[in-house]
Amino acid sequence: DAGVIQSPRHEVTEMGQEVTLRCKPISGHNSLFWYRQTMMRGLELLIYFNNNVPIDDSGMPEDRFSAKMPNASFSTLKIQPSEPRDSAVYFCASTIGTGEQYFGPGTRLTVT
Amino acid sequence: QQQVKQSPQSLIVQKGGISIINCAYENTAFDYFPWYQQFPGKGPALLIAIRPDVSEKKEGRFTISFNKSAKQFSLHIMDSQPGDSATYFCAASGFGNEKLTFGTGTRLTIIP
Repeated sequence: DAGVIQSPRHEVTEMGQEVTLRCKPISGHNSLFWYRQTMMRGLELLIYFNNNVPIDDSGMPEDRFSAKMPNASFSTLKIQPSEPRDSAVYFCASTIGTGEQYFGPGTRLTVT
Repeated sequence: QQQVKQSPQSLIVQKGGISIINCAYENTAFDYFPWYQQFPGKGPALLIAIRPDVSEKKEGRFTISFNKSAKQFSLHIMDSQPGDSATYFCAASGFGNEKLTFGTGTRLTIIP
């Protein structure tokens, strides 16, 4: 099992640009979570999907952030337009049922 | 109501000593309490978890102690080793709810 796959691993972009982060959950897992981690705010849940349907997006900071899960094996988190304060490590995690969440390696985003 | 409060923020322990990290919660509906371990540059990974039907769970050198009446739980690392140096997060979720509420994290450093 390859685990949760995220791409890119690092992204550097200029303020105002669109950023798309990608995630492939573990096969067979039916829930997918997007988290953001910063020194100041710790690990924040942005949004999670169950069976490809968004269940809770209350953590999405503002309309510049959007997430989709078009099928069980792929999800994207898009930031448009990006701002320097969006700089963080973004994690994707997946799970089956209410058990262990398996985290991906993260995408380190730097917005200059 | 949804918060999980974690302390200390950072901890330095001598090799061979006992590391203790504490968490407290308010939501009495929480019934699943995992601890995650995160190494630099990696995603968090499940270390050990407990449900409130037991007061203690031990896996190797790692023990969770759970006090339901006080709404507190703690992680004890016995015979702490330099390889245990990492950031530890406590978390909690309610019955049937996949969403985890994370604590703010504890950076543990084990010194020789």
